[in-house]
Amino acid sequence: NAGVTQTPKFRVLKTGQSMTLLCAQDMNHEYMYWYRQDPGMGLRLIHYSVGEGTTAKGEVPDGYNVSRLKKQNFLLGLESAAPSQTSVYFCAGRQPGPTGELFFGEGSRLTVL
Amino acid sequence: AQSVTQPDIHITVSEGASLELRCNYSYGATPYLFWYVQSPGQGLQLLLKYFSGDTLVQGIKGFEAEFKRSQSSFNLRKPSVHWSDAAEYFCAVTDSGGYQKVTFGTGTKLQVIP
Repeated sequence: NAGVTQTPKFRVLKTGQSMTLLCAQDMNHEYMYWYRQDPGMGLRLIHYSVGEGTTAKGEVPDGYNVSRLKKQNFLLGLESAAPSQTSVYFCAGRQPGPTGELFFGEGSRLTVL
Repeated sequence: AQSVTQPDIHITVSEGASLELRCNYSYGATPYLFWYVQSPGQGLQLLLKYFSGDTLVQGIKGFEAEFKRSQSSFNLRKPSVHWSDAAEYFCAVTDSGGYQKVTFGTGTKLQVIP
């Protein structure tokens, strides 16, 4: 099983460029998440989805958009990249309920010059 | 909103020594708490979780954690650390508002010296 797969794994952008990160899961997760990880700040939630066709804002949503047109895919878009968006991005999925374990992808390292 | 605090940014222990990583939570009712581990260049993996019952929970790789309501803590422990335990460790809590969001602490990086 592939689990949770993120593409691309590395990307360098110039300020103002746009891009989309794709997260694909084959674990039938109802809930999906996008986090960013920065040194000393842990993982911060950008956006999340609790089902196909739904999205919601997390802790740091500004500058990002998401879509979940199909249950297995969760896309994170940057319309106009800024250096402050240089980070490692993690996608994760889980089942509903308070005890559901998060299953993570391997991360996507994005550098904005 | 629920939150977790990991007061130690970096910890160094000798191989074979015991380990305790601290996590404090802010939550009124019984929290749903997790410990995850991140090896270099990898995603996060669940070590263990607590949601009710016994306050001492066992996880993978020989880790355990004790839930102490009186201290609002959920500290991770291991009796004897191996070099392969060098990683970053994150405490996390499920949001009580519908149990949709999961909030992470800032992490503790563990270095193991021979």
